[in-house]
Amino acid sequence: AQRVTQPEKLLSVFKGAPVELKCNYSYSGSPELFWYVQYSRQRLQLLLRHISRESIKGFTADLNKGETSFHLKKPFAQEEDSAMYYCALRGGYQKVTFGIGTKLQVIP
Amino acid sequence: EPEVTQTPSHQVTQMGQEVILRCVPISNHLYFYWYRQILGQKVEFLVSFYNNEISEKSEIFDDQFSVERPDGSNFTLKIRSTKLEDSAMYFCASSTQGGQDYLFFGPGTRLTVL
Repeated sequence: AQRVTQPEKLLSVFKGAPVELKCNYSYSGSPELFWYVQYSRQRLQLLLRHISRESIKGFTADLNKGETSFHLKKPFAQEEDSAMYYCALRGGYQKVTFGIGTKLQVIP
Repeated sequence: EPEVTQTPSHQVTQMGQEVILRCVPISNHLYFYWYRQILGQKVEFLVSFYNNEISEKSEIFDDQFSVERPDGSNFTLKIRSTKLEDSAMYFCASSTQGGQDYLFFGPGTRLTVL
């Protein structure tokens, strides 16, 4: 079974402060991990994936297989980062399992 | 930039009625999906579809649900006899390579069952 846990439903940070959105997963094989984002009144869209190893909009995420984590980080939060963030996992085939999501609120 | 489209944006129906949710995936994509999100809960996988057949489905996707690609562009989800607990946001998604690609989501259809 594949499971994704996002422990915080809401994370509030001040503009300019560092951000860390936590994600832990459970999967017996080698998963593919993603972060999807949904801005207000927009559709769910990919933010980044672990195999790309790139920084998108200043966000990075490192897959830690020992801790089964894929936390999303950004050194300095911006107001436009306010959104719902979903961690997601694809195991063996096509099914992608999502976490419950964390609402990031950046306070000006 | 091409996008997945879904119609209608909001569907209200009576319990026991059949509903059909429609999606137009991105034209060169080969894999199609339905997900749903009950209010306050996680986005849940329902079904994936490739080469005109279901390739994977979840335990939620029981006999009340069916999917179809009736022509070269549309991808539909049918719920035969809706229940109150089917009220949710239904998202269609598509991808180019299935297991090797990420999902492009539609804007969703909000289904309300009364």
